[in-house]
Amino acid sequence: DSGVTQTPKHLITATGQRVTLRCSPRSGDLSVYWYQQSLDQGLQFLIHYYNGEERAKGNILERFSAQQFPDLHSELNLSSLELGDSALYFCASSPTGLAGVNEQFFGPGTRLTVL
Amino acid sequence: QKEVEQDPGPLSVPEGAIVSLNCTYSNSAFQYFMWYRQYSRKGPELLMYTYSSGNKEDGRFTAQVDKSSKYISLFIRDSQPSDSATYLCAMSPGEYQKLVFGQGTRLTINP
Repeated sequence: DSGVTQTPKHLITATGQRVTLRCSPRSGDLSVYWYQQSLDQGLQFLIHYYNGEERAKGNILERFSAQQFPDLHSELNLSSLELGDSALYFCASSPTGLAGVNEQFFGPGTRLTVL
Repeated sequence: QKEVEQDPGPLSVPEGAIVSLNCTYSNSAFQYFMWYRQYSRKGPELLMYTYSSGNKEDGRFTAQVDKSSKYISLFIRDSQPSDSATYLCAMSPGEYQKLVFGQGTRLTINP
């Protein structure tokens, strides 16, 4: 158990809908990263938040957005869903304040199925 | 061309064999190198973490980084059926930066 929690585990929804995925980082970690894993693209970085602020964006669609709240949990919002958005969505957190460290610990993921 | 290349396998070896998994990369800015293990439908689990070049050993696992060749390896000694999983290499250029993953190698250890 990495200490990172994600809810829900599974999500089945229809095209055009909007969903919210939730992540709680490990205790003490200020950084949260979101990744998408699909069969054809592998694990792809979406976005990074540090202590409530957006730090970096990857190949994240404009239909997707995220935020990190004062209690450090993060939410990934996916809207106008398409069939191709079906994937595993992971969040990861990393230790803070340790120089030369970039270990990222992954949660169990949310499996999204868009029908 | 992808920044990180990893042979997807599948790779099948008998129990007790030494397994060698490899990745090559093109971005010379990468400084942090990691290996993750992922069981089916589970989150990636961090196995090994290396900063810059060199070797690192942890039990049956050894990670090697050769920055001059842009090549990293993971060796598993005395492989066990429980090691059957997908192994992902990952790397990043700096602290608190995104990880770039290889495609993953599916490994099966046969009893």
